[in-house]
Amino acid sequence: GAGVSQSPSNKVTEKGKDVELRCDPISGHTALYWYRQSLGQGLEFLIYFQGNSAPDKSGLPSDRFSAERTGGSVSTLTIQRTQQEDSAVYLCASSLVGEQYFGPGTRLTVT
Amino acid sequence: AQSVTQLGSHVSVSEGALVLLRCNYSSSVPPYLFWYVQYPNQGLQLLLKYTTGATLVKGINGFEAEFKKSETSFHLTKPSAHMSDAAEYFCAVSASGGSYIPTFGRGTSLIVHP
Repeated sequence: GAGVSQSPSNKVTEKGKDVELRCDPISGHTALYWYRQSLGQGLEFLIYFQGNSAPDKSGLPSDRFSAERTGGSVSTLTIQRTQQEDSAVYLCASSLVGEQYFGPGTRLTVT
Repeated sequence: AQSVTQLGSHVSVSEGALVLLRCNYSSSVPPYLFWYVQYPNQGLQLLLKYTTGATLVKGINGFEAEFKKSETSFHLTKPSAHMSDAAEYFCAVSASGGSYIPTFGRGTSLIVHP
């Protein structure tokens, strides 16, 4: 079956521009996570959606970052007024219970 | 609260040698434990997991890990390394109840020499 998909795979943007990253989770998975992975670093948790509950936004690094999940499925991570330090790979994962299934990531480069 | 420590950011082995990647965790509740592998330019893929029951867990590609509560460890092993095992490996812990937000270690890069 289809796995987690993310788009775009690569995004180059100028400092100060807004970007939107998309995640399509596995159908039926109630949980959805966003992570940021910087070069040589581990995974930094950003935000977690579980069903219809309020999302856990405790990992968002600043108010420039936001995310939504429409209809309990597709999610969009938005970064406003991008900065060079936002350059990273943004990974999305979904799960039902327990283990997570990851998408291939979006590589964001802010110039 | 939970945390994960992976000892060694890089581990180098010869092809055919034993692979041992170390993971220690802390958790205030019974943990769920995971090992993921990440190949270059790809997302993470689950290797194996421990939730309850048997403490020796077998995963894909010949990997296994043993949950040792007394040592708060979940080390990953493979008897004989293949060149294709070269990748980044992440250990993760989550709580067995409530929020399933896992905490990941910083990762260990496995290098396999011919």
